[in-house]
Amino acid sequence: GDSVTQMEGPVTLSEEAFLTINCTYTATGYPSLFWYVQYPGEGLQLLLKATKADDKGSNKGFEATYRKETTSFHLEKGSVQVSDSAVYFCALSDVYSGGGADGLTFGKGTHLIIQP
Amino acid sequence: DTGVSQNPRHKITKRGQNVTFRCDPISEHNRLYWYRQTLGQGPEFLTYFQNEAQLEKSRLLSDRFSAERPKGSFSTLEIQRTEQGDSAMYLCASSIGGLNEKLFFGSGTQLSVL
Repeated sequence: GDSVTQMEGPVTLSEEAFLTINCTYTATGYPSLFWYVQYPGEGLQLLLKATKADDKGSNKGFEATYRKETTSFHLEKGSVQVSDSAVYFCALSDVYSGGGADGLTFGKGTHLIIQP
Repeated sequence: DTGVSQNPRHKITKRGQNVTFRCDPISEHNRLYWYRQTLGQGPEFLTYFQNEAQLEKSRLLSDRFSAERPKGSFSTLEIQRTEQGDSAMYLCASSIGGLNEKLFFGSGTQLSVL
């Protein structure tokens, strides 16, 4: 079945550091890929998405490129801020997989801590 | 836009009791999803509705679980004869249109089964 693997956290960085959170996936069809973020005390929010190979999703200074050849969707940001501290989830939707469940498949999440 | 609302925020119950959770989606959203999240894991899909029709159920949704969305508005998720393994955060999300559209999540209901 479909699956998403993320780097385990917590990831601790200093403010203004470069961020990469790795995400790889396994899917039987042609998935769309997402990054969701959960700030403390809040619900999950869509951060960015890409629906086909080589697409780049971007939002709030974060970027991720859909790499079909490496089945990856790594999240990057050039200069992180304390306000970026949150849990980040990589996810996929694979409506053509035939698996039946028409829902997102999430990774386990990566807790990011930015220190001033 | 008041967001997705879930009630209660926390529920503590004894093993064997029934519990019911409520989700109020964003008013114009036709799709509503239920997910379950345990500590250290990502959300796991349980079921979804398009308007009032329940279109898909995960194998995680045992016979003790039932969900409804009467009139295509709010939804309820009921767990009968709760077990300790049911302890988790239950998340509701809504969206307009298909799965590739943005999901709006509520803050969840934290269930603890003693």
